[in-house]
Amino acid sequence: EDKVVQSPLSLVVHEGDTVTLNCSYEVTNFRSLLWYKQEKKAPTFLFMLTSSGIEKKSGRLSSILDKKELSSILNITATQTGDSAIYLCAVAPGAGSYQLTFGKGTKLSVIP
Amino acid sequence: SAVISQKPSRDICQRGTSLTIQCQVDSQVTMMFWYRQQPGQSLTLIATANQGSEATYESGFVIDKFPISRPNLTFSTLTVSNMSPEDSSIYLCSVVVQGIYNEQFFGPGTRLTVL
Repeated sequence: EDKVVQSPLSLVVHEGDTVTLNCSYEVTNFRSLLWYKQEKKAPTFLFMLTSSGIEKKSGRLSSILDKKELSSILNITATQTGDSAIYLCAVAPGAGSYQLTFGKGTKLSVIP
Repeated sequence: SAVISQKPSRDICQRGTSLTIQCQVDSQVTMMFWYRQQPGQSLTLIATANQGSEATYESGFVIDKFPISRPNLTFSTLTVSNMSPEDSSIYLCSVVVQGIYNEQFFGPGTRLTVL
């Protein structure tokens, strides 16, 4: 059975801190790893990673995939209260299939 | 990306009743899915909504409980039948925008509470 594990499950930081969220996976077939931000109901797409070692960056957020270690990290620098959310990691299987397997998420709380 | 809308955004229902959730996309998409997120849990795939044929259900989900329609490439419905409190969840539709990266986007979700 495919499995995606995120750590930590929850995290409380102060504004301005830098955080690193972790995601590891065990899947039969791997095509890509996706990160989403979930504030209320709908997960918002952040990154899709397919190649090892290539960092994807969007503003203060960045992410990188390590296929050898079967893991990914999501970094957020200079955190703001608006970054408070649940961050979800998901893995997409091989060619021809789009069903995502999600981790339980990391709940990030940024306090002023 | 794709703009996805869902109706209703939330509902409170009585045990034993059924609720139909609608998902509308602003462009034609081939791949459309329905997910459930129970309180404190992550997203679980219910089924793939197939246009013109029966939905493909994941293990643990059956058509009698979660009938799905997909009449065209921009619209789908999910019905939660004979509801019990255990069906209280957020229900989300998602679509794959096919291109170089085949990114998957989610609708705003429907928060269902069953009393």
